[in-house]
Amino acid sequence: DAGITQSPRYKITETGRQVTLMCHQTWSHSYMFWYRQDLGHGLRLIYYSAAADITDKGEVPDGYVVSRSKTENFPLTLESATRSQTSVYFCASKSRQDNSPLHFGNGTRLTVT
Amino acid sequence: LAKTTQPISMDSYEGQEVNITCSHNNIATNDYITWYQQFPSQGPRFIIQGYKTKVTNEVASLFIPADRKSSTLSLPRVSLSDTAVYYCLVGGEGFKTIFGAGTRLFVKA
Repeated sequence: DAGITQSPRYKITETGRQVTLMCHQTWSHSYMFWYRQDLGHGLRLIYYSAAADITDKGEVPDGYVVSRSKTENFPLTLESATRSQTSVYFCASKSRQDNSPLHFGNGTRLTVT
Repeated sequence: LAKTTQPISMDSYEGQEVNITCSHNNIATNDYITWYQQFPSQGPRFIIQGYKTKVTNEVASLFIPADRKSSTLSLPRVSLSDTAVYYCLVGGEGFKTIFGAGTRLFVKA
């Protein structure tokens, strides 16, 4: 969907470096999410946010930091990247309305060498 | 959120109808059932949602029996481009959305 964009599309970084993945949505959705998807596996929730300045841990939060100073942005930071964080990262958003579906970005493919 | 169980993989041929069943035995009264489709190198996309009985849209149909403990996604006359992973999610309100492993559908010519 054009309404949610992730950048960069591809990123290669070295072990120990800090890297930030960006996510921007134009729908003013309240909820935003970060998932990671490893090759051949399903999506695992890293962090989610119900509104600006409200974030919470998902299934696999260790090694990641998020912030949500503005409703439309939800950056994900790997403070000290490790090889195990090599993955495809998807950002998603949804409205506050009950049962509203998730809208996903096209993903960021991150390789940690 | 209610836990879901669906087959890990399915094979089909072009032109066939494909039915993917999802079990959700502890579905709550307010829970809706939502299906997503994910193509390689793309994020999942919403395809259909329902609460009870049958829902149909231009992409698929969703059948939900009266006890709502399972649901079946039906894809009519699949084509090669329907090869994807299909995820069944169950949840009414709340936002901690957890995905299961999904069903990998492979459509053959």
